[in-house]
Parts: sequence; C-alpha cells; structure tokens
Amino acid sequence: GAGVSQSPSNKVTEKGKDVELRCDPISGHTALYWYRQRLGQGLEFLIYFQGNSAPDKSGLPSDRFSAERTGESVSTLTIQRTQQEDSAVYLCASSLGATIPAGYTFGSGTRLTVV
Amino acid sequence: DAKTTQPPSMDCAEGRAANLPCNHSTISGNEYVYWYRQIHSQGPQYIIHGLKNNETNEMASLIITEDRKSSTLILPHATLRDTAVYYCIVRASNSGNTPLVFGKGTRLSVIA
Repeated sequence: GAGVSQSPSNKVTEKGKDVELRCDPISGHTALYWYRQRLGQGLEFLIYFQGNSAPDKSGLPSDRFSAERTGESVSTLTIQRTQQEDSAVYLCASSLGATIPAGYTFGSGTRLTVV
Repeated sequence: DAKTTQPPSMDCAEGRAANLPCNHSTISGNEYVYWYRQIHSQGPQYIIHGLKNNETNEMASLIITEDRKSSTLILPHATLRDTAVYYCIVRASNSGNTPLVFGKGTRLSVIA
C-alpha cells in the first residue's frame, strides 16, 4: 500500500487478556519500529527490526511485550496479560534503510484501552 | 546523538510564517537535523532533514546556522491544519537504523 497500515485502529480489552497488534510497513522498507505513546506523553521506543538481523528489543518495558516480523513485511506486537498501564496508542513506523538518513513513515496507530 | 532544546509552545497567526527554533549546541559533524510533526490523534509525520546546507521542500524550509549549533524550521504560510507538536531531532548518519528519540517538541498553535 501507499502508507504504513496498522490494525485494529482501536482495541478495548479486559485486564489480564492478551492482545495482538498488527503493522503492515511500506513495501521495500527494510526497517520497522514500534513506539508507544501514553495520553499526553511523548513517544517511547519499544522495538525495531532491520531486515533479517536480530531485533533491538531494548525498549520493551517488560517480558509481557514481544514482537515478531516476517522477513521485511508484516509485524505483530503482542502484549500478554494486559494491565491498565498498557493503555496507550501503539505506533508503527517503517523506513528505507541503514546507509541513508531516511525519514520514517508512521501509521495512524492502534489505540489500546485496558479496562 | 546530540540533545536538542525547543520552546514548549508557540503561537502563530494564520497566513503568517511560523519560525520554530531548535538548539543543538553539541551537534557533531556527522549528525543530521530532522524535523517531524504530530497532529492530534495521528502518528508523527516526517517534514524535512538537513546536514549543513539549508533545505526546502513542499512542506517547509530548514535553516541551519553556519556553526550548526541551531536551526529553524519555517512554515512559510501557516494554516490551521499546521497546528501540531513539532519535534527537532539530531541523529548521526552512521546510526544505521537505531531508533529516533523524540523529545517533548514545540506545540505550535496556529490562530485564525
């Protein structure tokens, strides 16, 4: 597609349930990033993928969070045993590559509400 | 990556130029200056980036001082739709794909 697509756009879940968020990057973009943005706060980096290299998971807040990416395509972010503090907008971005200072293209995000 | 300093908020009258400053006094020779903006309820949007020369595209102009310690993003004719948080980010060209770090930015309010 023309942009980064994220689904669902909104998700309400009960505390303790698992959720899966999906990101479809721009075709040909080798790098993919997940960020989290709590209400009224800045963007927190979670994880990034570059081609077939091992992902950088340094931003994941706990072991309840995990992410996968198949090759250079779709990525899923999974949150297990959701807590109320997980409520936030989860943003995905993709970019072209490592050797040029490429801009990121962000999706519209998934708004997660844990009740 | 070098740290940046931006004013927390600014106002601009509709139709006038919006000049958003950014200080990056510790910038290194291989670090680029990036600007993004985030309109309410949307993901951030890439605007422009530059190394040392001034840059212009269809969205904005980026003016970088000769010593590269500060820069200004210029929206030549601000509209109400330009109301957003604007982020100035400095990042080395050899950072590979290490993630951009977004600070608090400047909240620009364009007023009719």
